[in-house]
Amino acid sequence: GESVGLHLPTLSVQEGDNSIINCAYSNSASDYFIWYKQESGKGPQFIIDIRSNMDKRQGQRVTVLLNKTVKHLSLQIAATQPGDSAVYFCAEIVGFGNEKLTFGTGTRLTIIP
Amino acid sequence: DGGITQSPKYLFRKEGQNVTLSCEQNLNHDAMYWYRQDPGQGLRLIYYSQIVNDFQKGDIAEGYSVSREKKESFPLTVTSAQKNPTAFYLCASSLAGVSYEQYFGPGTRLTVT
Repeated sequence: GESVGLHLPTLSVQEGDNSIINCAYSNSASDYFIWYKQESGKGPQFIIDIRSNMDKRQGQRVTVLLNKTVKHLSLQIAATQPGDSAVYFCAEIVGFGNEKLTFGTGTRLTIIP
Repeated sequence: DGGITQSPKYLFRKEGQNVTLSCEQNLNHDAMYWYRQDPGQGLRLIYYSQIVNDFQKGDIAEGYSVSREKKESFPLTVTSAQKNPTAFYLCASSLAGVSYEQYFGPGTRLTVT
């Protein structure tokens, strides 16, 4: 079915270390993905996006990798900081012109000082 | 400041009452969305609108209604027909046809007792 899921519901990382959050998707027609960060009691914030014709995209301290062969997406956060503690969601869009995002269930990232 | 606002932040209602959640944006975005988020879960799409005076049902529209009389406003009514209305409600907007990135409001936490 068209679903986006995450491998791990929680992740704890030492401050300063790198973190990797994973996301699996099942629809091979998915052609656009977004990572969002949601802090407690707030709305999600855009982090980075990637189109299906790309394998990798980098932002400030974040990198998204897309492996279409195994339908896997990951978000790498370098040199984690306490402010990175949040729930991270991946979301996908299937099909050109489709404005609907399908969200995964999220991974809670906790940065240990 | 450009942005998307939701009010109120917390809302309490008695069972059997309809309640309307406000969502306003001054980003000049054509598309607006309503999501529901339950504890420890991802976002589920309730309704979306890609243009004024038009809207479509999302994945969980039953028990909800919307209107889109103005470009900047997309109010959501939670009716008494919604069996489990207690949740965190998020509104978002995007430049439909230009960018898939959705900008989220701060959310309204609705509690129905």
